[in-house]
Amino acid sequence: QKEVEQDPGPLSVPEGAIVSLNCTYSNSAFQYFMWYRQYSRKGPELLMYTYSSGNKEDGRFTAQVDKSSKYISLFIRDSQPSDSATYLCAMSPYGGSQGNLIFGKGTKLSVKP
Amino acid sequence: DAGVTQSPTHLIKTRGQQVTLRCSPKSGHDTVSWYQQALGQGPQFIFQYYEEEERQRGNFPDRFSGHQFPNYSSELNVNALLLGDSALYLCASSLTSDYGYTFGSGTRLTVV
Repeated sequence: QKEVEQDPGPLSVPEGAIVSLNCTYSNSAFQYFMWYRQYSRKGPELLMYTYSSGNKEDGRFTAQVDKSSKYISLFIRDSQPSDSATYLCAMSPYGGSQGNLIFGKGTKLSVKP
Repeated sequence: DAGVTQSPTHLIKTRGQQVTLRCSPKSGHDTVSWYQQALGQGPQFIFQYYEEEERQRGNFPDRFSGHQFPNYSSELNVNALLLGDSALYLCASSLTSDYGYTFGSGTRLTVV
């Protein structure tokens, strides 16, 4: 079993839809959870960063962490064609820059106008 | 702010050759990490440099080595290239006291 599992998709939705992206993990030591967005031919860009369990909202994006289920989610409201990208979950036992990140495979999202 | 700069953007090498990739971190950042991203996969951690020392290393063979210079820039060296080393190599910089990495756009290495 891989440490982080993420459905690679692809996921295609109409503009304005609510998008739900998910990852599961097996290492209970993970405390810090991140979502990155990666456009084609670009490096990943940090979208959301959360510590431990709970919700965090930033504009149209909401990140949820359920440590009891080892499950994290990213919701995108009112999706736009510009949201079309690959979304990577990442996690680490350590905060700051002390430790390496463990990434999922990424989910490729396409938002159709 | 130029962000993280990587060079070259693309590279084609032959099996058995050696390659050096370069990274200039975001201004103010002191920590550099390198990741390998194979096609259709998430990035995999190679190693991290801080204060010119390798602070942490992932599950990569000794053929992968690195260096960090006093100005915080970094190099990734790969010896005896294999076809399986073909990937996007990403450099990420950060401030060791802070969270979150800034990634560069990567170097696409193709080994033929």
